[in-house]
Amino acid sequence: DAMVIQNPRYQVTQFGKPVTLSCSQTLNHNVMYWYQQKSSQAPKLLFHYYDKDFNNEADTPDNFQSRRPNTSFCFLDIRSPGLGDAAMYLCATSRVRGADTQYFGPGTRLTVL
Amino acid sequence: KQEVTQIPAALSVPEGENLVLNCSFTDSAIYNLQWFRQDPGKGLTSLLLIQSSQREQTSGRLNASLDKSSGRSTLYIAASQPGDSATYLCAVRAGSGNTGKLIFGQGTTLQVKP
Repeated sequence: DAMVIQNPRYQVTQFGKPVTLSCSQTLNHNVMYWYQQKSSQAPKLLFHYYDKDFNNEADTPDNFQSRRPNTSFCFLDIRSPGLGDAAMYLCATSRVRGADTQYFGPGTRLTVL
Repeated sequence: KQEVTQIPAALSVPEGENLVLNCSFTDSAIYNLQWFRQDPGKGLTSLLLIQSSQREQTSGRLNASLDKSSGRSTLYIAASQPGDSATYLCAVRAGSGNTGKLIFGQGTTLQVKP
């Protein structure tokens, strides 16, 4: 059974057109993370939620926002996608922020035309 | 600033061979280290997690070791199979305040030939 679900799996948007990616989890974990992985590069953390507490990475562009309306769901909003934002976006969860395994979803591949 | 490096970037071996993947990190003050597998176009699957107080973890044909003082980890795969073909990523959990942030290496892409 899927534990971390991402929708859609593939998303195509136009330059400058806002897009929202979705992540849901059935694990009841407190922490949810969003990573960006560009082609042949390492995943890079954008931000995470610890419960309702939002934590942004210092180098995450303002173009990227996130919402967590409840424990199960977390959204990634890209306000004005540029060509450089084309990437795989990975959602992950962990029970706590401590020494704990992170569980990843299958990712959403974003293409910007 | 923590940096994670994986060498080699790509590796091709015949089926049945034992192999070692390497991961190094610049700051030994880590909370744990995790090895992941990523199939093409897919998300990450956790293989092994080693806490900072541990030296190794084993799961089936996989064995991961950790040497914090030298900033190194290895992933040993015994009796490799074509189904092991994938990209293997290591990641360290670093930073203060218990943020849970993972710093990833760029991965080693493994091809096991039948």
